[in-house]
Amino acid sequence: QKEVEQDPGPLSVPEGAIVSLNCTYSNSAFQYFMWYRQYSRKGPELLMYTYSSGNKEDGRFTAQVDKSSKYISLFIRDSQPSDSATYLCAMSGRGTSGTYKYIFGTGTRLKVLA
Amino acid sequence: KAGVTQTPRYLIKTRGQQVTLSCSPISGHRSVSWYQQTPGQGLQFLFEYFSETQRNKGNFPGRFSGRQFSNSRSEMNVSTLELGDSALYLCASSLAQAGSSGNTIYFGEGSWLTVV
Repeated sequence: QKEVEQDPGPLSVPEGAIVSLNCTYSNSAFQYFMWYRQYSRKGPELLMYTYSSGNKEDGRFTAQVDKSSKYISLFIRDSQPSDSATYLCAMSGRGTSGTYKYIFGTGTRLKVLA
Repeated sequence: KAGVTQTPRYLIKTRGQQVTLSCSPISGHRSVSWYQQTPGQGLQFLFEYFSETQRNKGNFPGRFSGRQFSNSRSEMNVSTLELGDSALYLCASSLAQAGSSGNTIYFGEGSWLTVV
């Protein structure tokens, strides 16, 4: 079983739609949860950062963490064509061997159609 | 504040050659991580350096190596290049060891390597 599972998409939505992106993970020791956005031929940029369970909102973006279900989500409201990118979830904490780990999902490709 | 800087941005090498990629972290950041990204495999962790010491290593052959200097700048080297090494190589920096106490990593724009 992979430590992080993320649907690769592509996910196509019309402009103005609410987008839901999700990841599941297996290591209950992870405490920090991040979302990165990567435009084509660019490096990933940190979009959202959340500690433990709960919600965090930043403009049109909301990150949600449910540690009991080992499930994290990113919601994008009023999606715009400029949101078209690959979204990678990431999480960090101590791995089973005791070392620090920072791992990524494979990324979901999102297309917002004008 | 300047971000993570990687050089060169694009390069083409011949199979069997070696290549060195350079990374300057965000000012004050002491940890540098390297990743390989390909369309089929996603982000693959290569290694992390913190205070000039390799702290973590991914599952890559010994042809992939790296080092970190006292000013936190880092280089990675790939020897005896293979066609399958063609990829985007990303450097990321963080204040302290990635994943410790919530330290997040910030990426550079990457170095595009094509092996022919």
